[in-house]
Amino acid sequence: GAGVSQSPSNKVTEKGKDVELRCDPISGHTALYWYRQSLGQGLEFLIYFQGNSAPDKSGLPSDRFSAERTGGSVSTLTIQRTQQEDSAVYLCASTSDRINSPLHFGNGTRLTVT
Amino acid sequence: GIQVEQSPPDLILQEGANSTLRCNFSDSVNNLQWFHQNPWGQLINLFYIPSGTKQNGRLSATTVATERYSLLYISSSQTTDSGVYFCAVRGTTDSWGKFQFGAGTQVVVTP
Repeated sequence: GAGVSQSPSNKVTEKGKDVELRCDPISGHTALYWYRQSLGQGLEFLIYFQGNSAPDKSGLPSDRFSAERTGGSVSTLTIQRTQQEDSAVYLCASTSDRINSPLHFGNGTRLTVT
Repeated sequence: GIQVEQSPPDLILQEGANSTLRCNFSDSVNNLQWFHQNPWGQLINLFYIPSGTKQNGRLSATTVATERYSLLYISSSQTTDSGVYFCAVRGTTDSWGKFQFGAGTQVVVTP
């Protein structure tokens, strides 16, 4: 597609439920990032995928969070047993494998845990 | 990992004023970008500028890599410039690694 696509744009869930957030990067982009932004805060790195390399999971806040990237394209971020502190906007970004490539963000998924 | 500090944290401008935003980083970088997050939350890439100077309309940016800082200039500010400006860097030791973001500068331009 023309840009990074994220779905759903909004998600309201009850505490304890599992949620899946989807990111479809720009076609041909080999690198994909997930960030989290709490209200009024900056961007917190979660996980990074680059080609076929092992992902950098160093930013995942707990073992309730996991992500996968199938076929080097679409990525899914899964949060199990959601907690109220998981409420935030989850942003996905992609970039090409050129070192000077700009980062392109999707519009994010606003997650609210009640 | 690399540390990124932005200043000032908040800025209130009258329409038409000029301003300078600063981004300091703690290590050598191979990629530095400035973003604008508008009031609707969309993040727009303004500049890719690991070194040198670039201009795009009323915005310009300069990065002095040897001194580990970058500046974003807004001239003749307009209300549409309101939002949060983020600096993001990738260290040279993380060739294909994550981008580290600063905490941002919240800019409010009043009519």
